[in-house]
Amino acid sequence: DAKTTQPNSMESNEEEPVHLPCNHSTISGTDYIHWYRQLPSQGPEYVIHGLTSNVNNRMASLAIAEDRKSSTLILHRATLRDAAVYYCILRGLIQGAQKLVFGQGTRLTINP
Amino acid sequence: SQTIHQWPATLVQPVGSPLSLECTVEGTSNPNLYWYRQAAGRGLQLLFYSIGIDQISSEVPQNLSASRPQDRQFILSSKKLLLSDSGFYLCAWTTGQGSYEQYFGPGTRLTVT
Repeated sequence: DAKTTQPNSMESNEEEPVHLPCNHSTISGTDYIHWYRQLPSQGPEYVIHGLTSNVNNRMASLAIAEDRKSSTLILHRATLRDAAVYYCILRGLIQGAQKLVFGQGTRLTINP
Repeated sequence: SQTIHQWPATLVQPVGSPLSLECTVEGTSNPNLYWYRQAAGRGLQLLFYSIGIDQISSEVPQNLSASRPQDRQFILSSKKLLLSDSGFYLCAWTTGQGSYEQYFGPGTRLTVT
């Protein structure tokens, strides 16, 4: 399984942008880059995904390097509710089912 | 709209006792279903996935088993729990091969004593 590398923790201030990096140097051409976040004692929540082009949705933006070996999740204006563990995942498919391999993720702390 | 239910929310069981955790999905048909476990302070580990009734695949060898007796019901079981089975168990679903988003349930926190 292709692996991702993320910093263990990051800290930011409320209402400031946050850039969460992810390295995936062994990514294959068909791997989608997915981001999920997990609040304490809850299941993960989908944030965004992309293949080659940068992506935007109501929650965040995803910037993907041209060689696809790294990506950055961007929270444009962090709020206290964005404090969570963020997982960068390379989605695989097995027999039509998704295979998500979760690493340790980045624990994001937002200061008021 | 689709919803996913898990129960119980918390469970404390002695070593050697049996286990049955249930997951049901509403509002969709033929979902792919998944069981994950999250040990304390760790990331999620995929345990089982299912692409249809009675079609179960295991990702890691372990003390647990899974069954899918109905299209939208997924059950995680054990005949004899070990201390190492403690963790946060999460059920999830996707709509099929073209799906991008995986939807997770609220989870069951299992403590084996």
